[in-house]
Amino acid sequence: QSVLTQPPSVSGAPGQRVTISCTGSSSNIGAGFDVHWYQQLPGTAPKLLIYDTNNRPSGVPDRFSGSKSGTSASLAITGLQAEDEADYYCQSSDRSLSGLYVFGTGTEVTVL
Amino acid sequence: EVQLVQSGAEVKKPGESLKISCKGSGYTFTNYWIGWVRQMPGKGLEWMGMIYPGDSDARYSPSFQGQVTISADKSITTAYLQWSSLQASDTAMYYCARGVTTVWDFDYWGQGTLVTVSS
Repeated sequence: QSVLTQPPSVSGAPGQRVTISCTGSSSNIGAGFDVHWYQQLPGTAPKLLIYDTNNRPSGVPDRFSGSKSGTSASLAITGLQAEDEADYYCQSSDRSLSGLYVFGTGTEVTVL
Repeated sequence: EVQLVQSGAEVKKPGESLKISCKGSGYTFTNYWIGWVRQMPGKGLEWMGMIYPGDSDARYSPSFQGQVTISADKSITTAYLQWSSLQASDTAMYYCARGVTTVWDFDYWGQGTLVTVSS
């Protein structure tokens, strides 16, 4: 059972803005650990989308942005496009026995 | 170009052993962790463990400690994930990924190895 909770699904029309929450606790996000986001397109391996809360690797469009506050983090997608339809996972670290890497439960984004 | 290339799909019977591989190229293999991530059918990502090929220091998620063994051969820039006795519940896609210790994320991923365990 993951220690980072995400909504199972979010949806939006093309061009809209959607946000995905990642709720943790004082032993992970609230402890100051970095938060990262991955995009997994259907049938493919995950890809790093955002690292260290709000940094984009080379090649990731600036439509994707991240933020963090307290024990939660968020991923925002502005100007939603059909190609953004995918599963998204947050990831952090945890002081407890959960370990160095903990993933969120995952969110499926649907473009209407 | 950084690449992680994993071995091909496997079909095994319960009780059999298995070792899958992940070959790194395009970077200094001994300077980064290699992690392993499980994704069961239709489910999310689970971190299993990781290894630092420079000194073969291996760390495991408590959920997978004792269930699998992670190793590496730096001479051929390859990391491994192995089972001594597979169970049907090990059926999943397994990904290797390069770990960045400054921020503890995975910046490059392998293409995945599908392991099917069925009698």
